Amino acid sequence: EAAVTQSPRSKVAVTGGKVTLSCHQTNNHDYMYWYRQDTGHGLRLIHYSYVADSTEKGDIPDGYKASRPSQENFSLILELASLSQTAVYFCASSEETGVHEQYFGPGTRLTVL
Amino acid sequence: GDSVTQTEGLVTLTEGLPVMLNCTYQTIYSNAFLFWYVHYLNESPWLLLRSSTDNKRTEHQGFHATLHKSSSSFHLQKSSAQLSDSALYYCALTRGSALGRLHFGAGTQLIVIP
Repeated sequence: EAAVTQSPRSKVAVTGGKVTLSCHQTNNHDYMYWYRQDTGHGLRLIHYSYVADSTEKGDIPDGYKASRPSQENFSLILELASLSQTAVYFCASSEETGVHEQYFGPGTRLTVL
Repeated sequence: GDSVTQTEGLVTLTEGLPVMLNCTYQTIYSNAFLFWYVHYLNESPWLLLRSSTDNKRTEHQGFHATLHKSSSSFHLQKSSAQLSDSALYYCALTRGSALGRLHFGAGTQLIVIP
């Protein structure tokens, strides 16, 4: 069964509303990541975490918060969703960062209207 | 900072022809590692290849790539394209340390036609 799961798989949100995307992994990995995928930009790192109760900013953190309440769970929070945040969001986990393979979830398609 | 360039956004090939997807990178670190991730429609991205030492070829599932530090390149190749190879391919870079993060290129959409 899938080791990295995401919920919801798709969501429509209104501008200015709050959105929470959830990720759960059963890989027993310390590292977890949130990426957004946009055509022409590839996968861009939003936030990541290497231990529970701690998160780090990635390359495009503005407008996003993250929460890592446990090793298994990592959430991405959009406090005030905007049109520009319409994208597909991927969660991933890895044993360590650097040379270790990242295992991705199935993605969440977010549409902000 | 670290960056990866994939010059082709879209590559369309006829089945049976060779595949070559370009990837070049920039980094100030000598211990860089390069990866190719593949993303099939409606699936999760997954690791296809990881670089080895300089000028050494790595292979997996019919694809191969060679890290050339002299030209900062890690092009993905396959001798004969199959319809099932149609997917989005990402080249990615990291430093070989625990602090290194993955930096992805913009991706190349490969479409193989009969």
